[in-house]
Amino acid sequence: QKEVEQDPGPLSVPEGAIVSLNCTYSNSAFQYFMWYRQYSRKGPELLMYTYSSGNKEDGRFTAQVDKSSKYISLFIRDSQPSDSATYLCAMSARVNTNAGKSTFGDGTTLTVKP
Amino acid sequence: NAGVMQNPRHLVRRRGQEARLRCSPMKGHSHVYWYRQLPEEGLKFMVYLQKENIIDESGMPKERFSAEFPKEGPSILRIQQVVRGDSAAYFCASSPMGPPMNTEAFFGQGTRLTVV
Repeated sequence: QKEVEQDPGPLSVPEGAIVSLNCTYSNSAFQYFMWYRQYSRKGPELLMYTYSSGNKEDGRFTAQVDKSSKYISLFIRDSQPSDSATYLCAMSARVNTNAGKSTFGDGTTLTVKP
Repeated sequence: NAGVMQNPRHLVRRRGQEARLRCSPMKGHSHVYWYRQLPEEGLKFMVYLQKENIIDESGMPKERFSAEFPKEGPSILRIQQVVRGDSAAYFCASSPMGPPMNTEAFFGQGTRLTVV
């Protein structure tokens, strides 16, 4: 079983819809939770990161972390065609034994149709 | 301020040849991470380096793969005697600080290695 599970999709929504992307994980040592956006044949771009449980909002994006359920979400409001990309969740532990190592989900491919 | 620069963007090697991938971190960043991405998969951690030191290489294959980040110049990921299974996109990321404040890592555009 993978440490981080992410529904690969593909997910297709109409423009303006609210999008919900999710990941589950098994390693209770994870403390930092990130969401990256990756356009085709490009490098990942960090969208948001959160530490421990809670919510974080940035414009149309909201990240939620529920450590008790080992479940994280990214919500995109008023989705735009330019949001069409692959979204990767990533997590890392705090301790130095996992220094610098983030564990990624396999990504969810999102298409927003005009 | 230039981002993380990787070169070459595309690299074709025949089986048995060597591949050398280069990564110049963002200015002021001294922490470098290498990841590999196979088709339709997420990124898999390979190695974490600081200047002149390998900090964590738990994701590196035991044979044929090596990485360095010298005092001067870019970080190098070296793959000797490449095989078809090495074909993938290799991404480098850099951050200004190490753990536990290393969440804001910035990725380069990747090197796409094709082994023929």
